[in-house]
Amino acid sequence: AQKVTQAQTEISVVEKEDVTLDCVYETRDTTYYLFWYKQPPSGELVFLIRRNSFDEQNEISGRYSWNFQKSTSSFNFTITASQVVDSAVYFCALSEPPGANSKLTFGKGITLSVRP
Amino acid sequence: GAVVSQHPSWVICKSGTSVKIECRSLDFQATTMFWYRQFPKQSLMLMATSNEGSKATYEQGVEKDKFLINHASLTLSTLTVTSAHPEDSSFYICSARLPGADTQYFGPGTRLTVL
Repeated sequence: AQKVTQAQTEISVVEKEDVTLDCVYETRDTTYYLFWYKQPPSGELVFLIRRNSFDEQNEISGRYSWNFQKSTSSFNFTITASQVVDSAVYFCALSEPPGANSKLTFGKGITLSVRP
Repeated sequence: GAVVSQHPSWVICKSGTSVKIECRSLDFQATTMFWYRQFPKQSLMLMATSNEGSKATYEQGVEKDKFLINHASLTLSTLTVTSAHPEDSSFYICSARLPGADTQYFGPGTRLTVL
């Protein structure tokens, strides 16, 4: 069975601080995808990134960066120079191997509050 | 691209009535759509997987007769909460997946309040 653990439940930082959101996953599949989604107070889930299990290259997109380490089954997300607009709930998710009905397993989410 | 809409964004209804929620993929055809439920300060719980032209696949513990799902076209899936009760009050979110892809794109959600 697949499992995603986001051990941090709430994080509060002051604007311009860097913050890392942790994600640890469990799966027996060799092929899978990992995702991060952002859910602002409006409720809509915003897709941030997808990483497949064969690509361990870290990725940077503006102030966002992701560190995928298969050896520790982790897919951590770092926001540098955080801003108030980054305040949201962030979900890490793991998908089953590609297929018509492959499902997502979500972590419990991390509530990030960025204070001015 | 990959925009998903939901309608209505919120609804209040009386206990015993039925409520229909629509999920549309606006700029792509989605052979597979998913319906989730989210309680306050909790994660998303998958309710069912909906494939165009076939019956939905429900997750364990989700009542098929209570939550009717119809995926009649490649751009529209509907969730009907039948005989709604206060415990059905929740945030319902749909997602759609591009054919051959693995990323789910989510709608803005529908907040249902049953009085």
